[in-house]
Amino acid sequence: GAGVSQSPSNKVTEKGKDVELRCDPISGHTALYWYRQRLGQGLEFLIYFQGNSAPDKSGLPSDRFSAERTGESVSTLTIQRTQQEDSAVYLCASSLVQGYRGETQYFGPGTRLLVL
Amino acid sequence: AQTVTQSQPEMSVQEAETVTLSCTYDTSESNYYLFWYKQPPSRQMILVIRQEAYKQQNATENRFSVNFQKAAKSFSLKISDSQLGDTAMYFCAFTSNSGYALNFGKGTSLLVTP
Repeated sequence: GAGVSQSPSNKVTEKGKDVELRCDPISGHTALYWYRQRLGQGLEFLIYFQGNSAPDKSGLPSDRFSAERTGESVSTLTIQRTQQEDSAVYLCASSLVQGYRGETQYFGPGTRLLVL
Repeated sequence: AQTVTQSQPEMSVQEAETVTLSCTYDTSESNYYLFWYKQPPSRQMILVIRQEAYKQQNATENRFSVNFQKAAKSFSLKISDSQLGDTAMYFCAFTSNSGYALNFGKGTSLLVTP
């Protein structure tokens, strides 16, 4: 596609359930990022994938959060045993290649997660 | 730690007027990159402008320009000839030359009124 796509657009779940969020990066982009945006806040970095290298998981807030990416394609962010504090918009971004720092990241429209 | 501060939670401007959004940051690094992103109600984060710290010349993109003051660690965004479609949240972001994750400020909500 032309841009980064994410699904679902909105997700309502009950506390304790697991959820899976999907990100489809721009074709050819090797770097992929997940961020979380809580209400009224800026974005918080969660995890970074670059090609086939080991991901940087330093931003994941707890072991209930995990993410996968196969090669340079789709990524899924999984939140297990969701808590109300996990309610936020989850944004995915991709960039062409981390060949230099400061590369522009292109964002998807996000998934709004509401945990009841 | 690298922090980004946007001191104006909300601003409003009349159509066709000029508005300036403030951003300050804190870093000990000498080379880094600064960004302004726009987030309309659709939630899509859109890059407005990008500045490389080693470039002294201020970046411009059509009606958008920045005032980059490296010594003061200030990176303000000026929007000229404001349009109704500029209504959005604006986020200032920073990334260093030793990292890749963007550090964001809390945002400024801009309302453009007729």
